[in-house]
Amino acid sequence: QEQLVESGGGVVQPGRSLRLSCVASGFTFSTFGMHWVRQAPGKGLEWVAIIWYDGSKTLYADSVKGRFTISRDNSKNTVYLQMSSLRAEDTAIYSCARENSKYGLDVWGQGTTVTVSS
Amino acid sequence: DIQMTQSPSSLSASVGDRVTITCRASQGIRNDLAWYQQKPGKAPKRLIYAASNLQSGVPSRFSGSGSGTEFTLTISSLQPEDFATYYCLQHNSFPWTFGQGTKVEIK
Repeated sequence: QEQLVESGGGVVQPGRSLRLSCVASGFTFSTFGMHWVRQAPGKGLEWVAIIWYDGSKTLYADSVKGRFTISRDNSKNTVYLQMSSLRAEDTAIYSCARENSKYGLDVWGQGTTVTVSS
Repeated sequence: DIQMTQSPSSLSASVGDRVTITCRASQGIRNDLAWYQQKPGKAPKRLIYAASNLQSGVPSRFSGSGSGTEFTLTISSLQPEDFATYYCLQHNSFPWTFGQGTKVEIK
C-alpha cells in the first residue's frame, strides 16, 4: 500500500527552526517528485515546495523562499522540509505528497502540525 | 503566478441534487488540473486528474470537464458521504496553485 507518513511537527517560537520528515513506503520513492503542501487553521491548501525525483532541482513558494529548504534521501525513502526563521503565519498542518508524472499530486500523507507561537 | 478562482466558496445542497463547482485560471493551463475532496481532519483525496479523468475507485457520479481557463467539477447526484470541501489544483506551471475551496454542506 502506497503510504506517506510525516513527523517532526510541534510548537516552536518565532525565529526558530524545525525539520519535518516524510517517510514513503509501498512504491519506488526514487522515481517520483515530492512536494510539501500546507494548510493553515481554517484555511485552504497552499503549495510550499517541490524536489525533483533525483534531488537535482527544487522550487519554492514565494512565501517560504529563502527560509525553507526541501531535500531528500532516496536511500531512506524520506523527504525533508527544513524550516528556519519561522513566523506565526507558518502555523499550519504540513503534508507531503507524491507527484504522479504530469497528473498532479496523487498520494498524500496525513500531515504534521506546526505551531509557531511565543 | 497563475491564480485559480474557485466558485462558489460554499453551497448548501440536498441528497440527490446535482452540484457544479467551477475553477477559472488567470491564464491558460491546458488540461493540467486536478480536483480533490477533503474531509475534516483527513488528507485530500484526488477525484479527477487531467481535468476530466476519473481517479480509479472514485464513484462515477463525479465528473470533470474543461480546458484552458475554465474547469468544472460536477457531482451528478449528491450522496451523504460527498459533504466535504473541494479544491482544484493547477499543475501547469510553478508555483502550483489551489483554488480557495468549496465547502459543500447539507441543506
